[in-house]
Amino acid sequence: DGGITQSPKYLFRKEGQNVTLSCEQNLNHDAMYWYRQDPGQGLRLIYYSQIVNDFQKGDIAEGYSVSREKKESFPLTVTSAQKNPTAFYLCASSIGTGIKQFFGPGTRLTVL
Amino acid sequence: SQQGEEDPQALSIQEGENATMNCSYKTSINNLQWYRQNSGRGLVHLILIRSNEREKHSGRLRVTLDTSKKSSSLLITASRAADTASYFCATDGDNYGQNFVFGPGTRLSVLP
Repeated sequence: DGGITQSPKYLFRKEGQNVTLSCEQNLNHDAMYWYRQDPGQGLRLIYYSQIVNDFQKGDIAEGYSVSREKKESFPLTVTSAQKNPTAFYLCASSIGTGIKQFFGPGTRLTVL
Repeated sequence: SQQGEEDPQALSIQEGENATMNCSYKTSINNLQWYRQNSGRGLVHLILIRSNEREKHSGRLRVTLDTSKKSSSLLITASRAADTASYFCATDGDNYGQNFVFGPGTRLSVLP
């Protein structure tokens, strides 16, 4: 099956710890994205990558880091510098820019 | 900065009725998309409409775009309980589709 997967579905971490969220796609898409969604709100762009080994900051990149070493993978690290990391994180991919995005099921991160 | 904004924030209708959601945006766009999100899940792409298009249909969905008013509407006809979800518009603003900005969404409840 082609698709985009995120793991884990739920993640709990202690304050001050870094945590890495996984995002994998087998759609052969060039572009990948990370969004943050807070309760009852829309999506805010954290980082995006249009091609392997290249990525750009989105609107709320502070406290987050990413890598894009492989086309299929775009992991997101939530660092201890992120002031309020508890949120629902969504990864997406698209064949190129400016067209529809395919979303993963999301990871709900709770920092205790 | 928030580009698209949906209206109303929440909508409750009876099964079989039509549901209309609106999206207003601030800057010029190349494309506007509508997505659907079931509670706690990823987003699913519904329709993309380009700036030179005025109307698009997909099954029970009808999307209109008025670039002079910087607004779009999503009409769901003959709604079903399964249409209960949040609906988001996403616009590419002036970044030529490098990424899309999502509005806060309309929460639609279709009552059986």
